[in-house]
Amino acid sequence: AQSVTQLGSHVSVSEGALVLLRCNYSSSVPPYLFWYVQYPNQGLQLLLKYTSAATLVKGINGFEAEFKKSETSFHLTKPSAHMSDAAEYFCAASGGSYIPTFGRGTSLIVHP
Amino acid sequence: ETGVTQTPRHLVMGMTNKKSLKCEQHLGHNAMYWYKQSAKKPLELMFVYSLEERVENNSVPSRFSPECPNSSHLFLHLHTLQPEDSALYLCASSQEADRVSNSPLHFGNGTRLTVT
Repeated sequence: AQSVTQLGSHVSVSEGALVLLRCNYSSSVPPYLFWYVQYPNQGLQLLLKYTSAATLVKGINGFEAEFKKSETSFHLTKPSAHMSDAAEYFCAASGGSYIPTFGRGTSLIVHP
Repeated sequence: ETGVTQTPRHLVMGMTNKKSLKCEQHLGHNAMYWYKQSAKKPLELMFVYSLEERVENNSVPSRFSPECPNSSHLFLHLHTLQPEDSALYLCASSQEADRVSNSPLHFGNGTRLTVT
């Protein structure tokens, strides 16, 4: 069975600082991995996905994530945080089933 | 119109009312989902339909009743709800292929339900 762990329910950064949101997965089969973002009063929208083509995946809004099989990780990064990045971020994994397993989410807080 | 549309956006209902949430997708997908999102809790998968057949039901109380009349429409019928059912209900769709897919979910903006 899949499980997805997001370390830290809240991450706080200053505007212009590096953003790092952590995600670890467990899977008995090669996974497909996703990051979603949710802004207030909206649904989740896809930031990026890993499907085995390349280990470093670039997404929208300057975000990227690196798949590290040895660490079973898929951490999300952005070099320089912007106020508009403040949102809830969800990591998800699917493998062996098209139905994804979601992490609990990490709230990104950006200070001016 | 494109994407996944949910109506209504907000709903307030009493515990004895009957109401329905509607979801429509214009993406040509063949799988649709209902999720419940409560404050300080993880996303809860409620129902999954693939090719209009229910394939997963995560032990949801019978006061929630899904309906999928075709691949573009999904309903969630509600009756005799409890205050703890107040939450954001999210609909999503995806393209499933042979039960294994790298297709992401596309979400609607949700219905904010308040049960009084």
